[in-house]
Amino acid sequence: KAGVTQTPRYLIKTRGQQVTLSCSPISGHRSVSWYQQTPGQGLQFLFEYFSETQRNKGNFPGRFSGRQFSNSRSEMNVSTLELGDSALYLCASSPSGEGRDSPLHFGNGTRLTVT
Amino acid sequence: AQRVTQPEKLLSVFKGAPVELKCNYSYSGSPELFWYVQYSRQRLQLLLRHISRESIKGFTADLNKGETSFHLKKPFAQEEDSAMYYCALRRQTGANNLFFGTGTRLTVIP
Repeated sequence: KAGVTQTPRYLIKTRGQQVTLSCSPISGHRSVSWYQQTPGQGLQFLFEYFSETQRNKGNFPGRFSGRQFSNSRSEMNVSTLELGDSALYLCASSPSGEGRDSPLHFGNGTRLTVT
Repeated sequence: AQRVTQPEKLLSVFKGAPVELKCNYSYSGSPELFWYVQYSRQRLQLLLRHISRESIKGFTADLNKGETSFHLKKPFAQEEDSAMYYCALRRQTGANNLFFGTGTRLTVIP
């Protein structure tokens, strides 16, 4: 099976712009989660989608949003970019996201740099 | 609230020596605990989880609810074990998100 695929791998944006990141989960996985990784804050949970519905959300401002499509692919959008949004954004998928037999599988991430 | 603490940012051991990466957590319920590993230029990947009670690449971890710990251990470190290790917690119910510790970079000295 192909792993979790994230595109693009690298992005450079300017403050105030918006950006969309994409994630294709492992085939058959219906839960997709997004994480932000920074040197200062480590790995922080953004949100989780399951069956096209946001099921859980972390403590990030409303500028961070996402969606999931019927094929389980997910996109994450960040509007009005700030310098502090520079980070590695990781996507993770799992079969159902429920129960104790559903570990997360991570993609390689998208490195976003805001200048 | 839940919290995962990895007290050591850096850990160096000699090849063949035992290694223990510490992880402590705080959570009022019964959590699931995981260890994830990130080798150089590779993606974050699951190493092991407490419910499996298995040994992966010679590593084991036992959930100690009394001490709220989930330390990762290996009796004889290998050079290929050099990597970043993250301990993570998932709450018992209701959410699929993981709470990660800040990670420990393990270096095995040849």
